Amino acid sequence: GAGVSQSPSNKVTEKGKDVELRCDPISGHTALYWYRQSLGQGLEFLIYFQGNSAPDKSGLPSDRFSAERTGGSVSTLTIQRTQQEDSAVYLCASRDRGPTDTQYFGPGTRLTVL
Amino acid sequence: RKEVEQDPGPFNVPEGATVAFNCTYSNSASQSFFWYRQDCRKEPKLLMSVYSSGNEDGRFTAQLNRASQYISLLIRDSKLSDSATYLCVVRGNEKLTFGTGTRLTIIP
Repeated sequence: GAGVSQSPSNKVTEKGKDVELRCDPISGHTALYWYRQSLGQGLEFLIYFQGNSAPDKSGLPSDRFSAERTGGSVSTLTIQRTQQEDSAVYLCASRDRGPTDTQYFGPGTRLTVL
Repeated sequence: RKEVEQDPGPFNVPEGATVAFNCTYSNSASQSFFWYRQDCRKEPKLLMSVYSSGNEDGRFTAQLNRASQYISLLIRDSKLSDSATYLCVVRGNEKLTFGTGTRLTIIP
């Protein structure tokens, strides 16, 4: 079956512009996560959704970052007034509430802020 | 102190050798433990979960010591295709915390 998909795969933007990143989780997965990975760094947790609500937003680095999820499915991560330090790969993962406890990752969106 | 600590490597190991990775975590309330594998410019993929009793999947063996807050991964008879970054991952509530990864290169 289809895995987690993300779009765009690459995004180049100018400093100060807003960007919107999209994640389509595996169908039926109730939990959705956003992470980012900077060059040579580990994955940094950003936000977690259970259904459409976000019980844990603790990882969002600033108020320029926001995310929403609608219909318990697609999620968008929005970065306003992008800065060069926002350049990273943004990864989305989804998880089913089953016994395997596995998060499945999408291929990521590589964001470059010039 | 980082929540999950790993030796970043790199580990350069000849084909056929055995290699061991170690990881420590700081939150004693952590609930689940995993090893993920990440190939260059690709997303992480689950390699195996880690249980207190230890578990094995083919050439891979994972161990967890809750008392020492220590996780290990052993790869036997290493293959060229094992070259990747290995991520130690700890789950507390719904949040996964990743180590920065250990880079492994298998040399022919």
